[in-house]
Amino acid sequence: DTEVTQTPKHLVMGMTNKKSLKCEQHMGHRAMYWYKQKAKKPPELMFVYSYEKLSINESVPSRFSPECPNSSLLNLHLHALQPEDSALYLCASSPGQGPFSNEKLFFGSGTQLSVL
Amino acid sequence: GDSVTQMEGPVTLSEEAFLTINCTYTATGYPSLFWYVQYPGEGLQLLLKATKADDKGSNKGFEATYRKETTSFHLEKGSVQVSDSAVYFCALNRDDKIIFGKGTRLHILP
Repeated sequence: DTEVTQTPKHLVMGMTNKKSLKCEQHMGHRAMYWYKQKAKKPPELMFVYSYEKLSINESVPSRFSPECPNSSLLNLHLHALQPEDSALYLCASSPGQGPFSNEKLFFGSGTQLSVL
Repeated sequence: GDSVTQMEGPVTLSEEAFLTINCTYTATGYPSLFWYVQYPGEGLQLLLKATKADDKGSNKGFEATYRKETTSFHLEKGSVQVSDSAVYFCALNRDDKIIFGKGTRLHILP
């Protein structure tokens, strides 16, 4: 299994809603990532988890809350989002062991989020 | 800081044409270099990589050579197919972060 699976594929939410994005991988990777991608732009790094601990937070607003319950799962909890948060949210993983181990990222297909 | 610059798109070619997508980078030291591809409605996939000067990465008919003297990593393919239509991102690795270029959209006409 060389896949990163993200659910849901599409999500529409209001500014007062609370929702969660889910990501799962069974490749034994120990580093997992959340990226945000606006239309026609490159992905922007949001968070990195390494060995289930948050290692990088790229100054993301607190309305985005990541969680890594175990080595296979990564969640992104959303609360009180703004319309400008509408984007494709991509999860990725990498082996995370040894030198150069984080170079190859395996991406999921993403969740297309619309905030109304 | 470190950065990646790639040619603006969209690039439109006919099937079987030769493809070049330019990419240059700015970085201290010797980063690893990558090309990722994003097909419509999907996440990114690693297309090829090179880890040191003069390395050539290749995959699915695509090639790119790590040129330290020109700080470049241009993507080439000798004969493109309609199925190659996608967005291509040049990227480098710095301190366990992947820094992406802005992406080049490629359209291949049958």
